[in-house]
Amino acid sequence: SSELTQDPTVSVALGQTVRITCQGDSLRSYPASWYQQKPGQAPILVIYDKNKRPSGIPDRFSGFSSGNTASLTITGAQAEDEADYYCSSRGSGGNHLVFGGGTKLTVL
Amino acid sequence: EVQLVQSGAEVKKPGESLKISCKGSGYTFTSYWTGWVRQMPGKGLEWMGIIYPTDSDIRYSPSFQGQVTISADKSTTTAYLQWSSLKASDTAMYYCVRQDGWLPDYWGQGTLVIVSS
Repeated sequence: SSELTQDPTVSVALGQTVRITCQGDSLRSYPASWYQQKPGQAPILVIYDKNKRPSGIPDRFSGFSSGNTASLTITGAQAEDEADYYCSSRGSGGNHLVFGGGTKLTVL
Repeated sequence: EVQLVQSGAEVKKPGESLKISCKGSGYTFTSYWTGWVRQMPGKGLEWMGIIYPTDSDIRYSPSFQGQVTISADKSTTTAYLQWSSLKASDTAMYYCVRQDGWLPDYWGQGTLVIVSS
């Protein structure tokens, strides 16, 4: 089992707001980052250092972290946001990286 | 523009050896870690390990220590992932990543490895 836990599936109506969560003890010490992966494509970074967006990532994507939980929020979900989302952080002990199991987001 | 270009798909038999590559360009290769991430069919992402090309400092995930070897050639800005004896369970997509500290920020296009008799 992963050190970071995510809900396997989440759905959202088009244009509505959705939050994807990630839980793990290491999140108390290290910041989370989030990746979006569409079918047949490599993942891309969408949020890092809890709530920073790389250039080119729409501002409808935001991040938040408190205690052992990090979250990715999409405000006004679009059809193109349908994808798998993975959280990541340093693992316990700090000498390796871990990914959550992933959340499949469906936009209805 | 940062680019990580990986070698092509491979089909191998169990017990064979394999070395796949990842060429970085558009940035100073020796100033960043280069890592590898496995994605088995229909499954999630698994971090395998990283190398710092300047001094070949390598960190492996406990899950992959002893199972694979990571190396790099700074003269050609290329990182490698190799197996000495493949198993069917090594069948997966393998992504290389540029890692800024502990943050994978750029990903290669992936190399599909199929191990089948």
